[in-house]
Amino acid sequence: DVKVTQSSRYLVKRTGEKVFLECVQDMDHENMFWYRQDPGLGLRLIYFSYDVKMKEKGDIPEGYSVSREKKERFSLILESASTNQTSMYLCASKQSGVGGLETQYFGPGTRLLVL
Amino acid sequence: AQTVTQSQPEMSVQEAETVTLSCTYDTSESDYYLFWYKQPPSRQMILVIRQEAYKQQNATENRFSVNFQKAAKSFSLKISDSQLGDAAMYFCALANNNDMRFGAGTRLTVKP
Repeated sequence: DVKVTQSSRYLVKRTGEKVFLECVQDMDHENMFWYRQDPGLGLRLIYFSYDVKMKEKGDIPEGYSVSREKKERFSLILESASTNQTSMYLCASKQSGVGGLETQYFGPGTRLLVL
Repeated sequence: AQTVTQSQPEMSVQEAETVTLSCTYDTSESDYYLFWYKQPPSRQMILVIRQEAYKQQNATENRFSVNFQKAAKSFSLKISDSQLGDAAMYFCALANNNDMRFGAGTRLTVKP
C-alpha cells in the first residue's frame, strides 16, 4: 500500500512565523502535490512537483513556496504566516505515466491555525 | 479549464438503504479520469472508486458503483446497503495529467 505521511496533524503558529510542512511518501512516486482544503471550496492546488528540484505553481501559490530535495520528500513553506493561511493542508503523491491511472494518494492532513 | 460541481452539500441515508451522490464536470479533454474520494472524520482521503473516461462500462467496487454519463458529463456515486462507516465527506474529482480538480464535497450522514 502507498503510504503518505505528514509531519504534523495539528499546528499552531503566530502571524509572521515561518512554517514548514513536510510530506514523505514511500512508493517512489515521481509526482507530489500540496493542496489546501477549505469548507465549501474543496481542494485547491498550491504547488506540485514532478521530479526532484522541479516544481510548478498550482492555482493558489501566493504566500507559499516548496522544496523537493529528495524524491520521497516534499516540503511546503509559509515564508511569513498570515491568518488567512489557517486551513487544512493535504499532501498527495502519484506515479507517473498511464500505469498510475492518474490516482493520487493522500496524507492524513495538517490542520494549521495561524493566530 | 476543468471544473467539477457537486450540487449536494449534505446528504443523509438510513443504514442499509441506498444513496446516490451527484457530480457533474466540464472538460475539453477527451482522455481523463474520474474519481470519488472519501474523507472520514479522521481526515485521511481514501480512494473509493475510479473510472477511465475511455471505458464505457461503469466501475464497481463492492457496494460502491458509479453511473458515468460521458455525453452529459455526469459521474454519480451509488452506495448500496449503507453502513455507519460510510459517513464521511465525499469528493468527486477529475484528473488529466497532473491537473486534478475537486468538487466542493458532499457530507454524507448515515442514520442508524
